[in-house]
Amino acid sequence: DQQVKQNSPSLSVQEGRISILNCDYTNSMFDYFLWYKKYPAEGPTFLISISSIKDKNEDGRFTVFLNKSAKHLSLHIVPSQPGDSAVYFCAASAGGSRLTFGEGTQLTVNP
Amino acid sequence: DVKVTQSSRYLVKRTGEKVFLECVQDMDHENMFWYRQDPGLGLRLIYFSYDVKMKEKGDIPEGYSVSREKKERFSLILESASTNQTSMYLCASRGDSSYEQYFGPGTRLTVT
Repeated sequence: DQQVKQNSPSLSVQEGRISILNCDYTNSMFDYFLWYKKYPAEGPTFLISISSIKDKNEDGRFTVFLNKSAKHLSLHIVPSQPGDSAVYFCAASAGGSRLTFGEGTQLTVNP
Repeated sequence: DVKVTQSSRYLVKRTGEKVFLECVQDMDHENMFWYRQDPGLGLRLIYFSYDVKMKEKGDIPEGYSVSREKKERFSLILESASTNQTSMYLCASRGDSSYEQYFGPGTRLTVT
């Protein structure tokens, strides 16, 4: 039972344009959400997070939106840069220690 | 800066061998985790530990065991390696006051 789903395995955008990565979840107990970025042969690194009491969180070029009624979150990257090319994972917490991760989306930003 | 280190970046083992993957963190974090990453499947939790000598099964514990004798060290053990355990193994740690997990660089394990 995949509680966190990233339905797009890959996304390709032009440098300078917006990248939008999507994530859906099914567990209504999730109350905190995180995005991680992963380069090949490296561990994931934390990017940005959002609590369920908010619907938007911004950090520089990165913005995460949360739509609780639709159980959907998205990560916007504006403007996209070639160095943003990586696999992006969304993750969710229902309190407690563990995170539940999605399958990941490979973002490619073309110069 | 939080540092999570893993004992090997690449490992090749034979079927049936006992395999030890070691993870060390330097931030005095209470919680430590072992994941495996496979294409199209994301990060799946194998085991986690919230305190020394404490462990909890994750989503895919079969074929694995863990050991946490010291707070900074969390070991993953493959009792008898099989080819379907060929994967990228990632260790992570987290303090009690934060949701954010910090990851090590990963160990690419190949079982032949």
